[in-house]
Amino acid sequence: GEDVEQSLFLSVREGDSSVINCTYTDSSSTYLYWYKQEPGAGLQLLTYIFSNMDMKQDQRLTVLLNKKDKHLSLRIADTQTGDSAIYFCAAGGGSYIPTFGRGTSLIVHP
Amino acid sequence: GAGVSQSPSNKVTEKGKDVELRCDPISGHTALYWYRQRLGQGLEFLIYFQGNSAPDKSGLPSDRFSAERTGESVSTLTIQRTQQEDSAVYLCASRGGRGNYEQYFGPGTRLTVT
Repeated sequence: GEDVEQSLFLSVREGDSSVINCTYTDSSSTYLYWYKQEPGAGLQLLTYIFSNMDMKQDQRLTVLLNKKDKHLSLRIADTQTGDSAIYFCAAGGGSYIPTFGRGTSLIVHP
Repeated sequence: GAGVSQSPSNKVTEKGKDVELRCDPISGHTALYWYRQRLGQGLEFLIYFQGNSAPDKSGLPSDRFSAERTGESVSTLTIQRTQQEDSAVYLCASRGGRGNYEQYFGPGTRLTVT
């Protein structure tokens, strides 16, 4: 089955860019998601990208997809303290049941 | 409009007791998922309902776990004879149906088995 891997922690200074990376194993995955989870809350969908795209930009967020390497990244420009959270990558295909990574804890310090 | 809601938000139970967790999806969403999130872990898929199709139960960890959904509305996840390893946050998500790829999550139910 699908396996999704992410690094567990990322620490950045406020105002810098953050880049969170994710790899997946199933080349037939057709849609890839990024979710944000703040303490004590459920997951909030940030953005998703289809496998026939290589980039998607939405305000401060940029998603890059390298389908050949099965690598997905989320770049957050001008990172703020309010961006501190756990970010989950997920990959899915025709079954509509995405597989989630373990999440990357983003810590933003002044 | 209203998002996905779950109740209770917290549940503490004694080992061996049964618990029922409830999920109210977004109105009109035909797909509903249950996930389990253990402390510091990712999301573990449990079960998926899509319209009137038979649910995909492939993620249920044991026969102590079951879930029901009435039509395209409320779902309940039941855990019988709870064990300490069942302690986790149980998340529900709904989605608008085939061809729609956006899952919307509820806030979760934190279950603690003592």
